Amino acid sequence: DTEVTQTPKHLVMGMTNKKSLKCEQHMGHRAMYWYKQKAKKPPELMFVYSYEKLSINESVPSRFSPECPNSSLLNLHLHALQPEDSALYLCASSQVTGVNYNEQFFGPGTRLTVL
Amino acid sequence: DQQVKQNSPSLSVQEGRISILNCDYTNSMFDYFLWYKKYPAEGPTFLISISSIKDKNEDGRFTVFLNKSAKHLSLHIVPSQPGDSAVYFCAADYSGTYKYIFGTGTRLKVLA
Repeated sequence: DTEVTQTPKHLVMGMTNKKSLKCEQHMGHRAMYWYKQKAKKPPELMFVYSYEKLSINESVPSRFSPECPNSSLLNLHLHALQPEDSALYLCASSQVTGVNYNEQFFGPGTRLTVL
Repeated sequence: DQQVKQNSPSLSVQEGRISILNCDYTNSMFDYFLWYKKYPAEGPTFLISISSIKDKNEDGRFTVFLNKSAKHLSLHIVPSQPGDSAVYFCAADYSGTYKYIFGTGTRLKVLA
């Protein structure tokens, strides 16, 4: 299984809503990532988890709250978002060590619209 | 400050010919480089990578060249196929940091 799955595919939410994005992989990868991609822009790193511990937070606003409940799952909890947070949210995973640890496998993304 | 740049936002190539996509970077600390392909409504898919200790890496139709002195890498696709039409991102990494910096992307269109 070389797939990273993300749910939901699309999400529309109001500024007062609370929602969560989910990501799952079964490749045994111990590093997992959240990226944000706006239209016609490159993906921008938000968070990195390594061995289920948050290792990188790229100064992301607290209205985005990541969670890694186990080595296969990664969540992104959303609360009080702004319309400018509308974007494609990508999850990725990789090995932590070994020859190919740099290669990240991406999910298809969740298209988020904040009204 | 864009540390990884792809100066051509788009490129059109005839089927069967060579596609050359270019990427420039500014940070000499980068030591690993990757190319990803992205179709609409899908996540990026890994294509090929190169370590800074090499200057060339080949995988089938894809070859990546790295010129460290010029801080430049390129992806060659030979022969180009219509299915190669996608957005291509180069990415750079610091060893052990897990922090990819992506370039701005080049939209490749291969004409049948």
